[in-house]
Amino acid sequence: EAGVVQSPRYKIIEKKQPVAFWCNPISGHNTLYWYRQNLGQGPELLIRYENEEAVDDSQLPKDRFSAERLKGVDSTLKIQPAELGDSAVYLCASSPPSGSTDTQYFGPGTRLTVL
Amino acid sequence: GDSVTQMEGPVTLSEEAFLTINCTYTATGYPSLFWYVQYPGEGLQLLLKATKADDKGSNKGFEATYRKETTSFHLEKGSVQVSDSAVYFCALRKGDSNYQLIWGAGTKLIIKP
Repeated sequence: EAGVVQSPRYKIIEKKQPVAFWCNPISGHNTLYWYRQNLGQGPELLIRYENEEAVDDSQLPKDRFSAERLKGVDSTLKIQPAELGDSAVYLCASSPPSGSTDTQYFGPGTRLTVL
Repeated sequence: GDSVTQMEGPVTLSEEAFLTINCTYTATGYPSLFWYVQYPGEGLQLLLKATKADDKGSNKGFEATYRKETTSFHLEKGSVQVSDSAVYFCALRKGDSNYQLIWGAGTKLIIKP
């Protein structure tokens, strides 16, 4: 079974530029999560989807961050414009229907560097 | 608010040494507790969990016991291998949530042959 796929794995951009991250969850997983992980810290939840619906986006900085999950499968997280403080690893995770936290499966992440 | 505190790394050990990574938590109610592992270049993986006081989670030779009296969930392994080198995260799930995790900062483990 293929795991959670994320791309790109690394991204370096200048500040004020836009950037987008893509996530393909495990087939059949209806719940999708985006996390941000700063260096030396644990992940912070940004947004959680149940199918196409964003059921928890309370931690998403909506002035510059946006996300979508069209058709309830793949998801894209966008930052526009990027700031220096956005440098971090962006993690995507998915879980199956009726799954609890211990069944979240994580992708390898996208490491973003903003110069 | 709820929080998780882990011992700072890196922790460097020789192969076959005994491992302890300390984790303590602050939480109201009855949280579930987890250890996740992140191998180089890979995503986070659930290593083990415990859902109530005195439960012991175990996997791949690792163990951790949920100690409510000391609010701790220390990770142990009797004999580590080079392949155990990774970053280990302790986390709690609030009792009223089936997905919201509170994470520790992670502890990097380096095993030397």
